[in-house]
Amino acid sequence: GENVEQHPSTLSVQEGDSAVIKCTYSDSASNYFPWYKQELGKRPQLIIDIRSNVGEKKDQRIAVTLNKTAKHFSLHITETQPEDSAVYFCAASMGQGGKLIFGQGTELSVKP
Amino acid sequence: GAVVSQHPSRVICKSGTSVKIECRSLDFQATTMFWYRQFPKQSLMLMATSNEGSKATYEQGVEKDKFLINHASLTLSTLTVTSAHPEDSSFYICSARPGLAGVTDTQYFGPGTRLTVL
Repeated sequence: GENVEQHPSTLSVQEGDSAVIKCTYSDSASNYFPWYKQELGKRPQLIIDIRSNVGEKKDQRIAVTLNKTAKHFSLHITETQPEDSAVYFCAASMGQGGKLIFGQGTELSVKP
Repeated sequence: GAVVSQHPSRVICKSGTSVKIECRSLDFQATTMFWYRQFPKQSLMLMATSNEGSKATYEQGVEKDKFLINHASLTLSTLTVTSAHPEDSSFYICSARPGLAGVTDTQYFGPGTRLTVL
């Protein structure tokens, strides 16, 4: 079936440490993998995305890696700051229409 | 750029009534819009995919007669929750994609609508 598994569900780090969130997807035809940050009661905000023809992408403190063979992708946040605290969702595109299936979410807490 | 609005932001209604939620792409044309539902502390669950001028495609388990979707123009999609019940209370979020899958994959989300059914 169409499924995206995300781990961990909660993650607590000290300010300045790195945070890593991992996702696996079920559909080998998936070719687009975005990551969204959602603050309480707000809309999801796209923070980084990667397409299947790329193995890694970086944007300042945020990076995403993709392993197509293993159907696995990860979000890496370095030098975390308290304002990084939020819920992070991974997603994978599925089907001809490119709908997004979301992971379960990771609640990241960055302690000052 | 790429702004999506939703209206209303909050709605409280009585059980049995219908509620309409609007999703608009303000500065781009959206060939495809998506509707999601999010319960507290849970993920976004895709309800349906809406293409302008055609019938929506519903996800398994979503009642199409209860959640009516209309995508009459390239900038507006509406979701009507018919005969709402307390279990329909949730956060409904739309997203819009400026182009076709594989060409423009990014989805831009609206701010969401908090529905409370009494």
